[in-house]
Amino acid sequence: ELKVEQNPLFLSMQEGKNYTIYCNYSTTSDRLYWYRQDPGKSLESLFVLLSNGAVKQEGRLMASLDTKARLSTLHITAAVHDLSATYFCAPKETSGSRLTFGEGTQLTVNP
Amino acid sequence: NAGVTQTPKFRVLKTGQSMTLLCAQDMNHEYMYWYRQDPGMGLRLIHYSVGEGTTAKGEVPDGYNVSRLKKQNFLLGLESAAPSQTSVYFCASRSAGVTDTQYFGPGTRLTVL
Repeated sequence: ELKVEQNPLFLSMQEGKNYTIYCNYSTTSDRLYWYRQDPGKSLESLFVLLSNGAVKQEGRLMASLDTKARLSTLHITAAVHDLSATYFCAPKETSGSRLTFGEGTQLTVNP
Repeated sequence: NAGVTQTPKFRVLKTGQSMTLLCAQDMNHEYMYWYRQDPGMGLRLIHYSVGEGTTAKGEVPDGYNVSRLKKQNFLLGLESAAPSQTSVYFCASRSAGVTDTQYFGPGTRLTVL
């Protein structure tokens, strides 16, 4: 059974600062998703990472995947208030069609 | 293009009542999923389907049933609601393609008294 651990679970940071959210998972996975959720809203897809060494960037967010270490990171560069949200990682098990979600990292960016 | 829609958006039930949540997608996706989201617990998979006429159990299937009679619809049923089923329910769908994103519906907020 695939288990996912995100850390930190809560992150409060100042605007302009950089930080990284970590996502560790327990068994082999052939792709990994990152999602954003605003309070009271649904989940919005940010990235799909398909292979070892994959790196994707969108604005101030950059995601990477190391399948050998079973680790994905979501790096935030020069944070702004609009990035305040909860971020989830979700690897997909290699054999199957299910995603397993981490608990989420609640990010608050303070002015 | 509506994407993934869910009906209803809100519902209050009394313990023991039954109801059905409807999920519809217009993207011709093969895979559909039902999750529940509770504070501090992320999303947990209830049931899923890999194609019309198929269903499978997820992580927390007890107390729920599902049906996928048409490719575009995935129904989640609660036969006898319990307070522990108070949650926000999300439906999602995805194509079988390697690069395809899993899209989520807007959610249904269910309260069981």
